[in-house]
Amino acid sequence: KAGVTQTPRYLIKTRGQQVTLSCSPISGHRSVSWYQQTPGQGLQFLFEYFSETQRNKGNFPGRFSGRQFSNSRSEMNVSTLELGDSALYLCASSRDSPFNEQFFGPGTRLTVL
Amino acid sequence: GIQVEQSPPDLILQEGANSTLRCNFSDSVNNLQWFHQNPWGQLINLFYIPSGTKQNGRLSATTVATERYSLLYISSSQTTDSGVYFCAVGFSGGGADGLTFGKGTHLIIQP
Repeated sequence: KAGVTQTPRYLIKTRGQQVTLSCSPISGHRSVSWYQQTPGQGLQFLFEYFSETQRNKGNFPGRFSGRQFSNSRSEMNVSTLELGDSALYLCASSRDSPFNEQFFGPGTRLTVL
Repeated sequence: GIQVEQSPPDLILQEGANSTLRCNFSDSVNNLQWFHQNPWGQLINLFYIPSGTKQNGRLSATTVATERYSLLYISSSQTTDSGVYFCAVGFSGGGADGLTFGKGTHLIIQP
C-alpha cells in the first residue's frame, strides 16, 4: 500500500506571496491532518479534515487554510507569506480519526525570503 | 492544553549500548505514538501505544496510562538509530484534537 505523498517537496517563495501544498493520504484513509515544524516551536497541529470538512483547528492565524476533496486528498494554503512561515509542513493520514494511528508524509520544506 | 515532556533532550551513546527514552504527559490521552524523524524530516512510525507494551525487533515501548508516562527502549544501538525521537499524544477535550508533540530526544550513536 502506498504511503502518504506530499507535493512539492521543496518550495521557495517571497514575503507576501501565497502558496498551496498538496497531500494524498493512504488509500482508504479519510482523515488528513497538517502540522508545521519549526526549530523554535517544534511540531504544531494546524488542522484536520474528514469527509471534506474541517473538524479540528490548531492555534494558527486565518492566513492558514485548507480543504479536502472527495477522494480525501487535501491541500493547505498560506496567504500573505511571512518570514516566520518558513518551516517543514507535514501531512498525516489516519483511518477516520486523529486518534487512530497517524502516518506522515515526507513533508514540504517551505522557505520564505 | 496537554503538556508533553520528553527526556533526556540529548543522548550520546556508543554502538551496542541500550537506551531508555521517556515521555510524560499531563492528562489522559486517546492516542500515543512514538516516531523517529530521519535526517530528511520524515516521521517514521515506531509504535502506536496508548497503553500496554509492544515490541518490534530491537525496539520496545511501554505506556502506563494511569501514571501518564511512556518509555521507548532501544537495545543494541546501531548508528542508523541516530536521529530525533518524538512522542506525540492525542487528547480529546478542550483542545484542538490533533497530536501534541514533545520536543524530542536527539540520539547520537557513535561507532
